[in-house]
Amino acid sequence: SQTIHQWPATLVQPVGSPLSLECTVEGTSNPNLYWYRQAAGRGLQLLFYSVGIGQISSEVPQNLSASRPQDRQFILSSKKLLLSDSGFYLCAWSRTGNTGELFFGEGSRLTVL
Amino acid sequence: DQQVKQNSPSLSVQEGRISILNCDYTNSMFDYFLWYKKYPAEGPTFLISISSIKDKNEDGRFTVFLNKSAKHLSLHIVPSQPGDSAVYFCAAPGRGGADGLTFGKGTHLIIQP
Repeated sequence: SQTIHQWPATLVQPVGSPLSLECTVEGTSNPNLYWYRQAAGRGLQLLFYSVGIGQISSEVPQNLSASRPQDRQFILSSKKLLLSDSGFYLCAWSRTGNTGELFFGEGSRLTVL
Repeated sequence: DQQVKQNSPSLSVQEGRISILNCDYTNSMFDYFLWYKKYPAEGPTFLISISSIKDKNEDGRFTVFLNKSAKHLSLHIVPSQPGDSAVYFCAAPGRGGADGLTFGKGTHLIIQP
């Protein structure tokens, strides 16, 4: 069976510090991978998606970046965090091809102070 | 431009009664729609979906109705149970392809004893 894990679960960081959130998927090959953010009152916003190693598409201009160094690993990064980067970050995967059902990780709560 | 809209941020329903969550969309080309359920500090989990060629899909206590002429879908939960208290997201394919799902802002369902 397929599983998805992301870490850390919670993170408190000062403004201007770097960020690295990691996500791995097991039990499947060549998944589509996604980073979403849930901010208060704004639902789930798609930040990045990837259809393969090294292939990253960004949905919104922002202070964050994503990388996919391995087939089942997806990383969300920032060089310098802003207060507005606070939120609940969710990694997700779907099967190869057109997006169907998304399978989400447990989420990472980021608080920037 | 939000393509999927949930206009009720919250809904309170008595245990045992029917819960009806609503969702409107703007893109008549969507092939399918999904409902996700989310508990605090957890990732969303898939609940039920409906193809655009159908007008109803039922799974146990959960039924989704699709009204294509009105560009409206609704999720019915009957009877409502305390464990149904969660945030419910309506979702549809982004632009097609592998670019993820587009979500509504969610409706917080509260089941009162």
